[in-house]
Amino acid sequence: TQLLEQSPQFLSIQEGENLTVYCNSSSVFSSLQWYRQEPGEGPVLLVTVVTGGEVKKLKRLTFQFGDARKDSSLHITAAQPGDTGLYLCAGASFQKLVFGTGTRLLVSP
Amino acid sequence: KAGVTQTPRYLIKTRGQQVTLSCSPISGHRSVSWYQQTPGQGLQFLFEYFSETQRNKGNFPGRFSGRQFSNSRSEMNVSTLELGDSALYLCASIGTSTDTQYFGPGTRLTVL
Repeated sequence: TQLLEQSPQFLSIQEGENLTVYCNSSSVFSSLQWYRQEPGEGPVLLVTVVTGGEVKKLKRLTFQFGDARKDSSLHITAAQPGDTGLYLCAGASFQKLVFGTGTRLLVSP
Repeated sequence: KAGVTQTPRYLIKTRGQQVTLSCSPISGHRSVSWYQQTPGQGLQFLFEYFSETQRNKGNFPGRFSGRQFSNSRSEMNVSTLELGDSALYLCASIGTSTDTQYFGPGTRLTVL
């Protein structure tokens, strides 16, 4: 069974702080996606990383795929209240996505 | 370009009933996946359809079934509902790469 563990599970920070969310697995994935989900809505795709060691930046968000394609991290610089939500990583394997356990982020003004 | 549409958005059913949920993918996408999201289990894969054929299936009982039509719209059905089937059911539209999936807003099913 493929599992993706995310840490931390919960994160409550003040506006302007930096944070990093980790996504780890013992399995290799062909690619890894990061999603953000708000209450009552479906996950919204933020980024897809494909190559081991790949780093992608999306404004204040930096995503990294591990060299062995088993883990990933999401770093947010100067967090804002609009970053609040549930962050999910998902590994692609055999035409399906395996989702991580999720990190719930709350950014207070 | 219109996004993924799911109907209905909310449903309340009682134990033993059955339910059908609908999903219209992004125009031009031929593949659809379904997921169940619960607070305890997170997001779990149900099944995937491509060109009207089920291509992949998750580890759910036979009470959960689905189908896809020639226009790529998909339905999933849950028979003999149980309390534990209460969840947010998400449909994802898949383009040329299975890795990239775009989700609809979901259908919130409550079983009483």
